[in-house]
Order: sequence, then structure tokens, then C-alpha cells
Amino acid sequence: EIVLTQSPGTLSLSPGERATLSCRASQSVSSSQLAWYQHKPGQAPRLLIYGASTRATGIPDRFSGSGSGTDFTLTISRLEPEDFAVYYCQQYGSSPQTFGQGTKLEIK
Amino acid sequence: EVQLLESGGGLVQPGGSLRLSCETSGFIFSSYAMSWVRLAPGKGLEWVSGITNSGGSTYYADSVKGRFIISRDNSKNTLYLEVKSLRVEDTAVYYCAKAVGHYSSLDRFDYWGQGTLVSVSS
Repeated sequence: EIVLTQSPGTLSLSPGERATLSCRASQSVSSSQLAWYQHKPGQAPRLLIYGASTRATGIPDRFSGSGSGTDFTLTISRLEPEDFAVYYCQQYGSSPQTFGQGTKLEIK
Repeated sequence: EVQLLESGGGLVQPGGSLRLSCETSGFIFSSYAMSWVRLAPGKGLEWVSGITNSGGSTYYADSVKGRFIISRDNSKNTLYLEVKSLRVEDTAVYYCAKAVGHYSSLDRFDYWGQGTLVSVSS
């Protein structure tokens, strides 16, 4: 099973700042089959990025994904108030699919 | 508008059972694979089980294999998860999630429900 390790566990930033979230895999992720989700308390998780770098439908262009192999990054270029949430990465290239433990992005 | 609405969660004693449901609308349910994903307190998301669009193939995480059963009724646009022999560590919010593809349990999820809470405690 591929273990995904996200860092940092918590990221404290202010609106307007740039956020960089990391997801490291214990083995290479097949065909960059790596997704990112945003999750707010009491809400449904939201798909942001798939294929490591493709934005899902309706996702603002301030969200971008990059990386390959074992190292992946989600970048939010200029934080908006609604961006403060928990972010998870997911690999869906190898069975079983797995998620990271999450990065909480909080307002500083 | 795509909607997924889970129900059936609750408080149950260790060893107990529940049947979770996920009613869907806004898309052709019979065309897509579906999964259950859970979020335990203080932990990350965990894929639990998946089912192909026809229901012909089912998949389970090792942690629930032999105890949980996933099924679907395409005539009712509804996904189910029967959870048995529950353990304290099964306590979590259970989400149903729509896969992008039709057949595979290995997929990204473009729509999720808001979840139903299963609490296992004596």
C-alpha cells in the first residue's frame, strides 16, 4: 500500500499570502494519478486537482498542482477567506487507493 | 445538480450492525462506479469500499473485508453499505463518493455527500 505523508500538518497564513502544501508518497505514484481535495467541517469534500496538475471543473486558477513520482505540491497563489480548510491528497494509481492525513490551512 | 445524501448512521455497541444508504440524483447513477470513504476522529480520509457501475464487482479495504458489504440498486439510484461486527475503530463519518469512471475502484471522486456519523461505543 502506498502511504501518503502530507506536510505541514497545520499551516497558518493570512489572506492574500501564498500557500504551499506537500504530499510525499512512499512509492512512485502511477501515471501521476494524484488528486487533491478541499474539505470544510460539515461539508462534502471537493475535488480540486487530478492527474497531479489538472484543475477540476469550476476550480479557480489560484489553485495549482505539480509534481510527479513521489513528490507532489498543491499551491494556492493568493489565499481567499474561503480557502481556509483541510486539504487531502489521494493516489488512485495503485490498489488500494490511499489518502494523506491532511493539512489544515488556518487563518493566522 | 448532482446530489448525494447519506443516512443510516447512529450510535451502536461493539459487535453491532447498521445499514448506510446514499440516495443520489442529478446524474445517471447506473453509469458510474461508487465508493464509501470514511473520516475517523483525528485521522485522514480512508477509502473503505467500492463497486462498479453494474454492481458486478465489489472491492474492500483490508480493514473492513469480511465485515462490510457494499451494494447498489440502480433502479432506486441508491448506494448501500452494510456494516457488521462493528469495532470502536470503525467510528467515523462515512461519505459516499461518485467516481469519475464506470468500472474501477481506483479513481478520483468528483462528487461527495456530506456524510453520516457512525459511533461505536459501549
